[in-house]
Amino acid sequence: DQQVKQNSPSLSVQEGRISILNCDYTNSMFDYFLWYKKYPAEGPTFLISISSIKDKNEDGRFTVFLNKSAKHLSLHIVPSQPGDSAVYFCAAMDGANSKLTFGKGITLSVRP
Amino acid sequence: DAMVIQNPRYQVTQFGKPVTLSCSQTLNHNVMYWYQQKSSQAPKLLFHYYDKDFNNEADTPDNFQSRRPNTSFCFLDIRSPGLGDAAMYLCATSREGDSYNEQFFGPGTRLTVL
Repeated sequence: DQQVKQNSPSLSVQEGRISILNCDYTNSMFDYFLWYKKYPAEGPTFLISISSIKDKNEDGRFTVFLNKSAKHLSLHIVPSQPGDSAVYFCAAMDGANSKLTFGKGITLSVRP
Repeated sequence: DAMVIQNPRYQVTQFGKPVTLSCSQTLNHNVMYWYQQKSSQAPKLLFHYYDKDFNNEADTPDNFQSRRPNTSFCFLDIRSPGLGDAAMYLCATSREGDSYNEQFFGPGTRLTVL
């Protein structure tokens, strides 16, 4: 049973526009959420995270929003650039248990 | 640069022939993880080491074993690979003690079973 769901397998956006990547979770014990980015032939790299005590965290062009009541988070990339084209994984952590639970990932393509 | 290194990047083995994948790290992190990722699936945690303490996930098959001879190195042994074990194997490290520690990943080893 998937506890972290990324229901859209792919997303294509125009360069300069906003990319919105969505993630849903089912386990109410999750209290920390991370986004990882993965290029082909490389391992996932950490991008941005958010604690459950916050509803927004921003880092440059990347913002993560958390809606705890809906068990939903989203990653916004503004403006999108061709170099952002990659697979993005949503992951969640239960503070009492430092293991990560990943979603299946979403492939973002940014068109020039 | 501090990093997580996995060798080999690509491994081909025959059905039933034991194979070992290796991971090394220069980050001096005390926790090391092994994940299995099949095509279009989420990375799935197989086991992790907290220092020398081995922690197996409940649903990890007995066919998968691991060794951590020192802080820097960790090995994944697949005793009798089946066709269903073909996947990308990712090694990751983290520093326990940091609050909500992020994990640092290696590039992965893609295993093919013939």
